[in-house]
Amino acid sequence: ETGVTQTPRHLVMGMTNKKSLKCEQHLGHNAMYWYKQSAKKPLELMFVYSLEERVENNSVPSRFSPECPNSSHLFLHLHTLQPEDSALYLCASSQGWKDRELGPHEQYFGPGTRLTVT
Amino acid sequence: SQQGEEDPQALSIQEGENATMNCSYKTSINNLQWYRQNSGRGLVHLILIRSNEREKHSGRLRVTLDTSKKSSSLLITASRAADTASYFCATAGGMFSGGYNKLIFGAGTRLAVHP
Repeated sequence: ETGVTQTPRHLVMGMTNKKSLKCEQHLGHNAMYWYKQSAKKPLELMFVYSLEERVENNSVPSRFSPECPNSSHLFLHLHTLQPEDSALYLCASSQGWKDRELGPHEQYFGPGTRLTVT
Repeated sequence: SQQGEEDPQALSIQEGENATMNCSYKTSINNLQWYRQNSGRGLVHLILIRSNEREKHSGRLRVTLDTSKKSSSLLITASRAADTASYFCATAGGMFSGGYNKLIFGAGTRLAVHP
């Protein structure tokens, strides 16, 4: 247990469906992240929220829509996905960092949601 | 652009042997982190080494960092079947982002430890 939970763990959806992934962290962190992990590709950072404000959006298609209602919860809303969007979606959290010299702190990951788009 | 790149891509050893994985990166860093991922699961943070450190230990793990060569290595001593997983290095990419972490992960090394 890392203190970060994700639901559902598995999701199969058609291309016309709308679904949401949920992430919750119990670590008191103030930054949360969505990553996409496809087979044989490096982990891709999708979105970052710091203090509930979106601070990073890595050219992710608009069919992915994140939401961060508070510092403990993060959602990823999905609609009209494509088969190539099938992947493991990972949520992570961390403390933010202000001191340039210290560098980023470690991230704590949830178990992931295995998404299959048919 | 991808920051950390692990080598080898795959490693197969017997229980009790040592496993060494390497990571190379391109730009200056504040720290470098290693993570482990069991098949289809989330990543688990193993160790963080700062740019002013050369070596760090945690249990059976030993990490070295050579900033002049822009490389790091992860050594797992006396490996066990339970160490079978993928191992990733991660570095901070791009400019200082201010207030949040932006890690860039390599493609990972798949380690198989056979009983």
